[in-house]
Amino acid sequence: RKEVEQDPGPFNVPEGATVAFNCTYSNSASQSFFWYRQDCRKEPKLLMSVYSSGNEDGRFTAQLNRASQYISLLIRDSKLSDSATYLCVVSNSGYALNFGKGTSLLVTP
Amino acid sequence: NAGVTQTPKFQVLKTGQSMTLQCAQDMNHEYMSWYRQDPGMGLRLIHYSVGAGITDQGEVPNGYNVSRSTTEDFPLRLLSAAPSQTSVYFCASSYSNVPAGETQYFGPGTRLLVL
Repeated sequence: RKEVEQDPGPFNVPEGATVAFNCTYSNSASQSFFWYRQDCRKEPKLLMSVYSSGNEDGRFTAQLNRASQYISLLIRDSKLSDSATYLCVVSNSGYALNFGKGTSLLVTP
Repeated sequence: NAGVTQTPKFQVLKTGQSMTLQCAQDMNHEYMSWYRQDPGMGLRLIHYSVGAGITDQGEVPNGYNVSRSTTEDFPLRLLSAAPSQTSVYFCASSYSNVPAGETQYFGPGTRLLVL
């Protein structure tokens, strides 16, 4: 079983819609959680870290549920420029970062 | 700052050939790592380094060697290329030598095709 699981999508949503992605992780000792964004044929870039209390950055809200071992990303008022693949990343106390396979989002006019 | 740079951007190899993928960062980061990204597989860690002179294996190290003689550079060597090594290779770095909790900065990637 892969350590980080994501629904690959694709999620096709119209502009202005709200969309939510979930990610589950298997290691209960995991300590750090992130969402990265990857545009087509580009490198991943940090979108936001995920904190236990939840955090928000503009139209993006990330939540962590340690008891159920899942992380969510909510995007409000979707823009065409939000079209990308969103990678869920989990790290333990060591040196390995575990990447999910990514969820593909396509925002259409 | 240039950030993390990788060369070459694209490479075609024949089976059995060897080559070195270059990675450099100018942010004085301690931790550097190499990933490969394959369709449907996500990013998988090949090797990593927590500082000059220190390297270790990741999830998929077979067929690859690394060294870290300076803080800035972390080359990845393919010893004898195989078609299974066709992939996109990303180098990443972070400030602390423990990546947990740290933002990873990725290079633009090297696209490798092994025939």
